[in-house]
Amino acid sequence: DMKVTQMPRYLIKRMGENVLLECGQDMSHETMYWYRQDPGLGLQLIYISYDVDSNSEGDIPKGYRVSRKKREHFSLILDSAKTNQTSVYFCASSLVRVGNQAPLFGEGTRLSVL
Amino acid sequence: GDSVTQTEGLVTLTEGLPVMLNCTYQTIYSNPFLFWYVQHLNESPRLLLKSFTDNKRTEHQGFHATLHKSSSSFHLQKSSAQLSDSALYYCALSERINTGNYKYVFGAGTRLKVIA
Repeated sequence: DMKVTQMPRYLIKRMGENVLLECGQDMSHETMYWYRQDPGLGLQLIYISYDVDSNSEGDIPKGYRVSRKKREHFSLILDSAKTNQTSVYFCASSLVRVGNQAPLFGEGTRLSVL
Repeated sequence: GDSVTQTEGLVTLTEGLPVMLNCTYQTIYSNPFLFWYVQHLNESPRLLLKSFTDNKRTEHQGFHATLHKSSSSFHLQKSSAQLSDSALYYCALSERINTGNYKYVFGAGTRLKVIA
């Protein structure tokens, strides 16, 4: 069953704490993404990874970094979280490096930074 | 970079009326790939339909859309709205970054609310 799994689903952190969001997929997809979703702004691309250790900044990378050491796993790290990073974060993956393969999304992680 | 513009905000319809959610895009690529995603409350976005062929109607689950390159549009339509269609709808475009690599650009989303 094709699936993108995100952990945790809900997270509450204090400002200044470090945050680790994890994403896994079991389809051997090459490309993985991290998006954040905010009302009125839609889905904004934070980072994209084309394979292990091949990561590129998306449209809003500031304040985030990523790690991809295995093809099936992609992490999003917030060093010293800020309150404006409160959002819903979605991980997604797609099969191959062609533009017609629509990304498959995980269930999302709802992060609150207090 | 590429961009996608959707009908803004909230669209409220009475059940049984036709649905039309607008999507226009900007890209320098002559062969764009366009997508519609649907996201129900507390769920993740899931693909509704996609197209890369000019002037060809694509249908899925009662919804349809036609890519018109001449007007850079990919509007989502349905003949008769159902209460279960209430959701957030995203139009998206795949943007070619370089050879072999793409990223997906999403519009701001249109929330559809269907009332009885």
